[in-house]
Amino acid sequence: EAQVTQNPRYLITVTGKKLTVTCSQNMNHEYMSWYRQDPGLGLRQIYYSMNVEVTDKGDVPEGYKVSRKEKRNFPLILESPSPNQTSLYFCASRPGVRANEQFFGPGTRLTVL
Amino acid sequence: AQSVTQLGSHVSVSEGALVLLRCNYSSSVPPYLFWYVQYPNQGLQLLLKYTTGATLVKGINGFEAEFKKSETSFHLTKPSAHMSDAAEYFCAVSGSGGGADGLTFGKGTHLIIQP
Repeated sequence: EAQVTQNPRYLITVTGKKLTVTCSQNMNHEYMSWYRQDPGLGLRQIYYSMNVEVTDKGDVPEGYKVSRKEKRNFPLILESPSPNQTSLYFCASRPGVRANEQFFGPGTRLTVL
Repeated sequence: AQSVTQLGSHVSVSEGALVLLRCNYSSSVPPYLFWYVQYPNQGLQLLLKYTTGATLVKGINGFEAEFKKSETSFHLTKPSAHMSDAAEYFCAVSGSGGGADGLTFGKGTHLIIQP
């Protein structure tokens, strides 16, 4: 089944404790991205990657890091999480920049205390 | 830069009534337009899309949307609302240069279905 997977689905952590949210897709998509969703703000893009070893900042990159060492994986790293990073996070992939459809993962709900 | 405006953060309709969710966009190039639905505690699922060709597009679950270039709109409609339609709906535009990667989302409209 074609899909985007994220782990963990739920995470509660404390300020300053480094964490990684994994994202993997099995559709051989070149393009992957991370979004955060907050009430009243919709989806805001954090980082995106057009291909292996190519990443770029989205609209709200501060406090986040990403890497794209393999085509299928695009982990999101919070080196020192803070409470304002409490949010619902989505990973997504699509075949190209202007592809017809973007596929979303199920989401990771992160709480930083 | 491109943008998407969804009118109404919350829309309430009675079961069986017409659903109309409004979306206006701006784009410097011919846009690709999308509607996504998010059910509670789930990810986003594509409802329908417009790329080229016929301006009235049909999607899943009885939804459809019409691309009106002159009005820069892509409103989502469904003739008869069902309780299972209660969800968050996002309009998105793919043009060029906007949202850092060409895809920009609206802030979403929460659809409430009253029995």
